Amino acid sequence: GAGVSQSPSNKVTEKGKDVELRCDPISGHTALYWYRQSLGQGLEFLIYFQGNSAPDKSGLPSDRFSAERTGGSVSTLTIQRTQQEDSAVYLCASSFRQGYNSPLHFGNGTRLTVT
Amino acid sequence: DAKTTQPNSMESNEEEPVHLPCNHSTISGTDYIHWYRQLPSQGPEYVIHGLTSNVNNRMASLAIAEDRKSSTLILHRATLRDAAVYYCILRWGSQGNLIFGKGTKLSVKP
Repeated sequence: GAGVSQSPSNKVTEKGKDVELRCDPISGHTALYWYRQSLGQGLEFLIYFQGNSAPDKSGLPSDRFSAERTGGSVSTLTIQRTQQEDSAVYLCASSFRQGYNSPLHFGNGTRLTVT
Repeated sequence: DAKTTQPNSMESNEEEPVHLPCNHSTISGTDYIHWYRQLPSQGPEYVIHGLTSNVNNRMASLAIAEDRKSSTLILHRATLRDAAVYYCILRWGSQGNLIFGKGTKLSVKP
């Protein structure tokens, strides 16, 4: 079946511009997660949603970052006034529900380059 | 968050078994042990998880020490496609997010 889909797969933007990254989770998955991975680094947790609400926003690095989820499905991560340090691969994952017994299924990410 | 310790890198030969260790001496009774792996240029993928008993699935086996302070992911017969970064992660009951460490980079030689 279809996995987690992220778009665009690559995005190049100029410093100071806003960008939107989209995630389509697996159908029926109630939990959705955003991570980012800088070149050669580990995964950094950003935010997760249970349904349309975000119980944990603790990983968002600054107020330039925001995310929303509508209809319990698609999620958008928005970065305003991008900076060069925002360059990374942004990964989205979904799971059937939150909790230990629901593995996360990851997309292949959006590679963001800020010039 | 309870932490895990893994070797930075390991090497294996193709078609031989691989034992990837993970130490988690501060694990609590409600922490589950999860393993994910990340192939080059891909998002992580789930491998296996367990609580106390050893677990087997089509991808791997998970051996958990009796005191639960360590665990070992076992790939029974390594292939070139198993070259990846392997992450050992503790996750408690209803916890939402997963916290990834640096993992072990596994290289497989033909």
